[in-house]
Amino acid sequence: EDQVTQSPEALRLQEGESSSLNCSYTVSGLRGLFWYRQDPGKGPEFLFTLYSAGEEKEKERLKATLTKKESFLHITAPKPEDSATYLCAVLLSLSGGYNKLIFGAGTRLAVHP
Amino acid sequence: GAVVSQHPSWVICKSGTSVKIECRSLDFQATTMFWYRQFPKQSLMLMATSNEGSKATYEQGVEKDKFLINHASLTLSTLTVTSAHPEDSSFYICRVSGTGNSYEQYFGPGTRLTVT
Repeated sequence: EDQVTQSPEALRLQEGESSSLNCSYTVSGLRGLFWYRQDPGKGPEFLFTLYSAGEEKEKERLKATLTKKESFLHITAPKPEDSATYLCAVLLSLSGGYNKLIFGAGTRLAVHP
Repeated sequence: GAVVSQHPSWVICKSGTSVKIECRSLDFQATTMFWYRQFPKQSLMLMATSNEGSKATYEQGVEKDKFLINHASLTLSTLTVTSAHPEDSSFYICRVSGTGNSYEQYFGPGTRLTVT
């Protein structure tokens, strides 16, 4: 069964304390792995897409990496405004040209000053 | 990236009434749109896949007669919650998928539905 697991469920950091969020997956037919940020009461905001193992992408204090089994979202020197829920999702290709996006449960990040 | 809008952003309705939520792709044509539901502190759960000009495909456990989906054009999909009950109160979000070689995925801002 296709599955996406994120850890930890919740993470509390002090401002400036770097850390990593994990997204592990067991799926067949992976087409891409996505990271999103979601603030309360809002839709997910796109951060990164990773397509192949070894790929890395960076944006400000965030860096996403991908292996054949998992992805990490590294947060360097976080600030309180980085507090949000971070969602990982994998895109699978299905027969008939359709795709399916499977989400992990998310990691709730709180950065305190 | 694509811009996706939803209307309304929040709605309160009485039990037994119907509510329509719109999802618009503002800058590209989307043959496929997806509807999700999200309960507090939970992740997004796919409800249905909306295909332009054809019937929607519903996920297991989602009542198609209760959640009516119409994808009338390449830029608009609507979700109608019929005979709403308090347990239908949730955050409803649509997703638009990139086309061709692009696998980019973009979400609308969401609609908060509260049924009293």
